[in-house]
Amino acid sequence: TQLLEQSPQFLSIQEGENLTVYCNSSSVFSSLQWYRQEPGEGPVLLVTVVTGGEVKKLKRLTFQFGDARKDSSLHITAAQTGDTGLYLCAGEEGGSEKLVFGKGTKLTVNP
Amino acid sequence: KAGVTQTPRYLIKTRGQQVTLSCSPISGHRSVSWYQQTPGQGLQFLFEYFSETQRNKGNFPGRFSGRQFSNSRSEMNVSTLELGDSALYLCASSSGPSGEQFFGPGTRLTVL
Repeated sequence: TQLLEQSPQFLSIQEGENLTVYCNSSSVFSSLQWYRQEPGEGPVLLVTVVTGGEVKKLKRLTFQFGDARKDSSLHITAAQTGDTGLYLCAGEEGGSEKLVFGKGTKLTVNP
Repeated sequence: KAGVTQTPRYLIKTRGQQVTLSCSPISGHRSVSWYQQTPGQGLQFLFEYFSETQRNKGNFPGRFSGRQFSNSRSEMNVSTLELGDSALYLCASSSGPSGEQFFGPGTRLTVL
């Protein structure tokens, strides 16, 4: 089973700060997805990256897929309290169409 | 368009009992996947159904089973509950096996 390691596990910052969270694996993934999950709700898909080196921007969020398609990062600029949540990365496991999830980064943005 | 619904939202059971959880996918979606989420292990894939057939299965014991009906609604069953089965069980639906997954709010199962 391919594993995805996310870091940091917990992150607490002040509103307005920038942050980066990481998702790493020793395996190659055909695509990688980022989700945000808020308490009491299921994860919501933010973005899917499929090409090595790909960079996607979603307002203040920037997602990057590593050249070798083994790692990804999520950068948030000028964090807001509404960004608080659990950020999960997930990769499609070896052509099986099964999603493998990292354990997540729990982000708290304080006012 | 209504989202994925899961019932019940909360459930308390005792060891040895069995439980059935229900998931209604988004209208028109034919693929339903189930996941178990715990603080220690994170989100783990249980199984996926498409057009009433199980397409994929995760590494869980046979006590975990599921099925899908002709209207795409799905149920999962856990027999002989153990304390370690306490978790948030999430259901996700998609239009097809490779489509974007939309998650429901989950069923919080507590085993005492």
